[in-house]
Amino acid sequence: KQEVTQIPAALSVPEGENLVLNCSFTDSAIYNLQWFRQDPGKGLTSLLLIQSSQREQTSGRLNASLDKSSGRSTLYIAASQPGDSATYLCAVKDFNKFYFGSGTKLNVKP
Amino acid sequence: DGGITQSPKYLFRKEGQNVTLSCEQNLNHDAMYWYRQDPGQGLRLIYYSQIVNDFQKGDIAEGYSVSREKKESFPLTVTSAQKNPTAFYLCASSIPLAGDFNEQFFGPGTRLTVL
Repeated sequence: KQEVTQIPAALSVPEGENLVLNCSFTDSAIYNLQWFRQDPGKGLTSLLLIQSSQREQTSGRLNASLDKSSGRSTLYIAASQPGDSATYLCAVKDFNKFYFGSGTKLNVKP
Repeated sequence: DGGITQSPKYLFRKEGQNVTLSCEQNLNHDAMYWYRQDPGQGLRLIYYSQIVNDFQKGDIAEGYSVSREKKESFPLTVTSAQKNPTAFYLCASSIPLAGDFNEQFFGPGTRLTVL
C-alpha cells in the first residue's frame, strides 16, 4: 500500500525566507502528485498538480518538483509571507485512489 | 461560481443516531470522494464514486454509507455503527479517475461532533 510522508511536521520561518517542504512516497508507480494548502478549519485548496510525465510545475512564488524514481517531491516557496502560514499537504494518485501525507504546518513570522 | 458545497458546516450527533452529510458540486465532475480528517493526520478515504449509481469502499468504510443518484450529489451517512465518528469530513470531486490529469477539488468540510 502506498504511504506518503511529509517532513517536517511543523516549520517556523521569518518573513522573506525561501523554504522547501518535502513529500516522499513509497511506490513510484504514481499517476500524479498534487500539493494543497489547508487553513485552520477549512477545506483543501489545490496549489499545483504534477503529472507523472512532468518534472515540475510553477505557479507564482510556488515551484513543485517530482522525482518518481526516488519517490520524492518538493514544494519550494519563494520570499515567504505571513499569509503563507497554513498546513501544506501532498497527495499521490495511483490507479484509482489518492493517498495523502499528514502535512507540514508552516508559520511565517512577520 | 463553480465549486463544491458541503452542509452543514457543524453537526452534532447523539450516540445511536444516524446523520447525513451533504455534498453538492457544479463542476460537472464524474468522480466524487469522501474523506475523514483527524487532528494531525492526513486524509483517509471513506468512499468514492466514479459514476452515477456506482461507488466503492475506501480504506475506512465501516460504519458509513453513501449514495450517488445524481451526478451533482454524493451524500454521506454516518451510522450508529461508526464507533468514533467525531472528525472533520471533506468531500472532493475530479474528472474521471483514469489517467494522470485528475486534479481534486475540495469542499469546505463538515465538522461532526458526537455528544
